[in-house]
Order: sequence, then structure tokens, then C-alpha cells
Amino acid sequence: EPEVTQTPSHQVTQMGQEVILRCVPISNHLYFYWYRQILGQKVEFLVSFYNNEISEKSEIFDDRFSVERPDGSNFTLKIRSTKLEDSAMYFCASSEAMGGSSPGLPNTQYFGPGTRLTVL
Amino acid sequence: GENVEQHPSTLSVQEGDSAVIKCTYSDSASNYFPWYKQELGKGPQLIIDIRSNVGEKKDQRIAVTLNKTAKHFSLHITETQPEDSAVYFCAASIRGSQGNLIFGKGTKLSVKP
Repeated sequence: EPEVTQTPSHQVTQMGQEVILRCVPISNHLYFYWYRQILGQKVEFLVSFYNNEISEKSEIFDDRFSVERPDGSNFTLKIRSTKLEDSAMYFCASSEAMGGSSPGLPNTQYFGPGTRLTVL
Repeated sequence: GENVEQHPSTLSVQEGDSAVIKCTYSDSASNYFPWYKQELGKGPQLIIDIRSNVGEKKDQRIAVTLNKTAKHFSLHITETQPEDSAVYFCAASIRGSQGNLIFGKGTKLSVKP
């Protein structure tokens, strides 16, 4: 069964450094997302990406964050000038298409296993 | 914006009993409601979803009901098994948001053998 993969599984960095989290979405999917989950809390939306541009972003996704789809398979999240409060589990998700036979209805998202980011 | 409330935060049942988790949402424009199961150290896994043009959906031991008027939806697990123990999250998606999911805070379900 196809699945979303993420690397690394755990990333440790010093405050102020830059990190890149990598994701390989399911191959025929068109929509890509990043979410984060601070330990013990709910999953929070960061950004969605379609047709090589950001579709929507949350307040969490400030100008230190960026996303890129550098080739046909990878989807990356870059965080510059990391802060202690960036420490969280970051999940990538992907989905196939909007609505199918019901135009306008949102799609089903499949999540990767996550990257645990620890900022020291 | 959309807000999703989920109850209870923890739920403990005996193996074989049923478990019910309830969520409410605030934005009447929300039209997609997935449920995810998250096991320790893993990403959320979709277990069932429902769209606003349907009132109920069932998949073996799992069912979801949606009441659009009251803006609430529920997850029902029957004949619970120890492997059902996990954190369950409900979520809602607003029309036109490219599928941005707003999650509830989660319910930690423990099934005792």
C-alpha cells in the first residue's frame, strides 16, 4: 500500500540554525501539507501546497518557514533561525484530488510517520 | 475560523464494550469530517471519514454519525479490542480551504483486556 515517507525521523538542532524536513508524498497525489504536533497537544495545520505554490498557511507559518517541491517526488519544509518553541513533531500529508465526483468537497489526507524536531 | 471541540479527553473501556467519542464544530461551512487514530510514535492514520451529504457511515466495527443541524459528529467503536487503544482525533475541513484540517484535541482510548 502506498504511503507517505519522511526523513529524518528525528532532527536535533541548535537554536538559530536552519533545518530542512523532507517528505515523499504518495506518487499520484497532487496536494501536499505540513502539520505539526507539540508533545501532548493536538495536530495543527501549517501550510498546504498545490500546483507549485502555497494554497493556504496558518499563523504558525511565519516568514521563517518555507516549502518547496524541488523535484517530482520530494516536498520539503525549511525552518530558518529555529526557536525553542519550534520543537515538535512535524507531519507531512498528501491527498489525491479535490472532491472526485463531488466538486468542491475536500480531499482525504494521508499522513507520514513524522519527524521529531528538537531545538536546543 | 473553525474550531473543533472533542470529548472526552480520556476514555477507558473493557474489551468488548463500545466506545463513543464526540466532536462539535463551529463553522457551518465545514463539509468534511475525518477521524484519525494515532499510535505512540506514529503519524495519524485515517480510519474513517464522512462528508456533509451523508448522515452516517460504517466500516466493520467503526461508524461515524454526523448531525449538521447541531454541528456535531461522533465516532462509535463496537466490540473494542486491546489493539484499539490509541489516541483518536476528529477533524473538520472548511469548503474552499484546499482541505486544511482543523483537529480536535484528541481522545486517549484505553481498552482493558
